[in-house]
Amino acid sequence: AQRVTQPEKLLSVFKGAPVELKCNYSYSGSPELFWYVQYSRQRLQLLLRHISRESIKGFTADLNKGETSFHLKKPFAQEEDSAMYYCALGYGGATNKLIFGTGTLLAVQP
Amino acid sequence: DAGITQSPRHKVTETGTPVTLRCHQTENHRYMYWYRQDPGHGLRLIHYSYGVKDTDKGEVSDGYSVSRSKTEDFLLTLESATSSQTSVYFCAISPQGNTEAFFGQGTRLTVV
Repeated sequence: AQRVTQPEKLLSVFKGAPVELKCNYSYSGSPELFWYVQYSRQRLQLLLRHISRESIKGFTADLNKGETSFHLKKPFAQEEDSAMYYCALGYGGATNKLIFGTGTLLAVQP
Repeated sequence: DAGITQSPRHKVTETGTPVTLRCHQTENHRYMYWYRQDPGHGLRLIHYSYGVKDTDKGEVSDGYSVSRSKTEDFLLTLESATSSQTSVYFCAISPQGNTEAFFGQGTRLTVV
């Protein structure tokens, strides 16, 4: 069965420090992976998806099929990065259903 | 922001009462979804729709029903609310498969 695991509930770093939010998945097919972010008092929004291979707000994520991982990275954290981050796996083909991880709260300290 | 609104935004109801949450979109997207968000579980899919009158179950559909009589509206009904259904409910829309899903602002439902 498909599953997404985010092992850290909370990640606290200082401003300027590197950030890595971990995500591992389990899926028998070809995965579609996403990172969604929820800032305080805002709606959930897409941060990036593996297929586009782009960098958004300095964040990158590389799909590693061998390790079944899709970790989110940023070299220098900013206070405005503080938010809840969800890794999600798309399945069901055209229906675009999502399986979410439990989320990691990133807290960037000044 | 994508044109998606949820109503009500907050609701407190009593155990055993029926509750209907509404999701309205102005994007004419084909796919619509209802998720619930709970601590320690992330978001879990309740039901989804792939067209008018076309709906299917998600991973946590027990105790919920949905209807979609128009492209723009997707209703989630709790036939007889229970305390375990206290949650934040999110509606999402998507134009087609494997593309970005756009989320509503959420409805906080408390069942007492």
